[in-house]
Amino acid sequence: DAGITQSPRHKVTETGTPVTLRCHQTENHRYMYWYRQDPGHGLRLIHYSYGVKDTDKGEVSDGYSVSRSKTEDFLLTLESATSSQTSVYFCAISGVQKREGPNINTGELFFGEGSRLTVL
Amino acid sequence: AQSVTQLDSQVPVFEEAPVELRCNYSSSVSVYLFWYVQYPNQGLQLLLKYLSGSTLVESINGFEAEFNKSQTSFHLRKPSVHISDTAEYFCAVKRAGGFKTIFGAGTRLFVKA
Repeated sequence: DAGITQSPRHKVTETGTPVTLRCHQTENHRYMYWYRQDPGHGLRLIHYSYGVKDTDKGEVSDGYSVSRSKTEDFLLTLESATSSQTSVYFCAISGVQKREGPNINTGELFFGEGSRLTVL
Repeated sequence: AQSVTQLDSQVPVFEEAPVELRCNYSSSVSVYLFWYVQYPNQGLQLLLKYLSGSTLVESINGFEAEFNKSQTSFHLRKPSVHISDTAEYFCAVKRAGGFKTIFGAGTRLFVKA
């Protein structure tokens, strides 16, 4: 199993409070992602990182910010949580597939076990 | 931009019957295609992928998917399902050379005895 740890795994908070979710990897992969999973929507990309201090927005980035100060950690912050941010959050990583010829980033994702956030 | 449509939200099927989970994608550029599986209360894990070459790809547990460029489809099939295949299945697409993987809404496969 890929070494990906998410914390906390479960959190209940109140509207308006800040929340930070942490993703920690031991694989030294370059790319890291935060997705949210909601019924009927599958997984939607919130933010992603393609290197230390290099991040970009995904499909549903409003209300979220991220930081990556070192390769192994990718933080997702909800500055002021709202009920619409109640969801299961997944961190994922991907790296370069080594093979004959040029190495490529196939985009194969390895997922953490998820963080269930409830905003009351 | 890429998008993925999974045509069935739920597929109930009896054990040992064949199953097909449908996936269509849209993209104007070359893509990589994936199927991921999520068992209850777990994260997603890769089931199989198409990068290039043979259009038929297989997983170790009997699933296969065929890349059809003309129909922009990547349907997942298994000739005989087991109770243990009960899970949610996600089709996903990534632009070759890009950073982002886009997922479909998922298909919940329920295998009945």
